[in-house]
Amino acid sequence: AQKVTQAQTEISVVEKEDVTLDCVYETRDTTYYLFWYKQPPSGELVFLIRRNSFDEQNEISGRYSWNFQKSTSSFNFTITASQVVDSAVYFCALSEGGATNKLIFGTGTLLAVQP
Amino acid sequence: DTGVSQDPRHKITKRGQNVTFRCDPISEHNRLYWYRQTLGQGPEFLTYFQNEAQLEKSRLLSDRFSAERPKGSFSTLEIQRTEQGDSAMYLCASSAPTPGEQETQYFGPGTRLLVL
Repeated sequence: AQKVTQAQTEISVVEKEDVTLDCVYETRDTTYYLFWYKQPPSGELVFLIRRNSFDEQNEISGRYSWNFQKSTSSFNFTITASQVVDSAVYFCALSEGGATNKLIFGTGTLLAVQP
Repeated sequence: DTGVSQDPRHKITKRGQNVTFRCDPISEHNRLYWYRQTLGQGPEFLTYFQNEAQLEKSRLLSDRFSAERPKGSFSTLEIQRTEQGDSAMYLCASSAPTPGEQETQYFGPGTRLLVL
């Protein structure tokens, strides 16, 4: 069965600190896709990144970086030099593709960045 | 491009009443999804449309729930005889197929339902 685990319920950091959000997934498929979404207090889920299971190359986008390791079934997300505007709930999600492409979400990590 | 929109943003109703939510996807997106998110949880898949065809429904979608997408554009989600357990955020997402790749779902702002 597919499952996404985000063990960190809440993280609090001070502005400019680096922070890593963990994501561990379970799937029996060899082809799958992983996503990160940000949900600010307004409630709208904002897409951050998509990776497929064949591409383990790490990605950097500005202050954001992602580390995908198939050996440990993890897809971790690091924010460098955090800012107050980064405060939000972050969700990791898995899709096995196929006909539906529905997303299986983790329970989310609430990140609070203090000034 | 205006993004996914949902209406209303908030709805308070009494137990036993019917409610209907609307979702307008990004134009030219032929796939539309409904999810439900309860407090402290991640969104859970409810149902999926490709154009006007409803292709999958979750077991979460009881007989009191019905979704439509009559012309393959906007969609409605109706809950009949609401129960307090229906209180949640209802999220809509849309996507367009990308040849050879998994498409990305873009979400609307959600409709927050409170059943008293």
